[in-house]
Amino acid sequence: RKEVEQDPGPFNVPEGATVAFNCTYSNSASQSFFWYRQDCRKEPKLLMSVYSSGNEDGRFTAQLNRASQYISLLIRDSKLSDSATYLCVVWNGAGSYQLTFGKGTKLSVIP
Amino acid sequence: EAGVTQSPTHLIKTRGQQATLRCSPISGHTSVYWYQQALGLGLQFLLWYDEGEERNRGNFPPRFSGRQFPNYSSELNVNALELEDSALYLCASSLAGASYEQYFGPGTRLTVT
Repeated sequence: RKEVEQDPGPFNVPEGATVAFNCTYSNSASQSFFWYRQDCRKEPKLLMSVYSSGNEDGRFTAQLNRASQYISLLIRDSKLSDSATYLCVVWNGAGSYQLTFGKGTKLSVIP
Repeated sequence: EAGVTQSPTHLIKTRGQQATLRCSPISGHTSVYWYQQALGLGLQFLLWYDEGEERNRGNFPPRFSGRQFPNYSSELNVNALELEDSALYLCASSLAGASYEQYFGPGTRLTVT
């Protein structure tokens, strides 16, 4: 089982739609969780951290369920500029000290 | 403030050759991480350098190596290049020690023919 799994998509949604991405991770000792955004042929950039209590940043809401080892990202009122690949990322902290990336979910927002 | 810089932007090599990729971290950052992003695969952790020492390495063969210089810049060397080494190589930096707050450079796209 891969450490971090995501549906690769693509998700093709119209402008204004709400879209949700899911991610599961296999290491129950994982400590911190993130969503990154990667535009085509560019470097990944941190979108937001994910907390068990849930967190929101404008149109973006992230949620962590530690019991199910599941992370989600919800994008409301999609914009054309949201088109990108969204990477689910896990930090395993003590022991490996590395970020582990999912392969990403591709989103295309259509006019 | 300047971000992480990498050079070259693109690199074309033939199988069996060696490639050298360079990374300059954000000023004040002492940790440098290297990742490989091959087509169809997620980012794979390669190496972590902190204060001039290799601290951790991912599941890659020994022909992937590197070093960190006293000014905290870093170099990734790939020996005996294979076709499957073609990928985007990303460098990230962070403040001292293991940190998930990593800032990525634009990457070097290596093509092996």
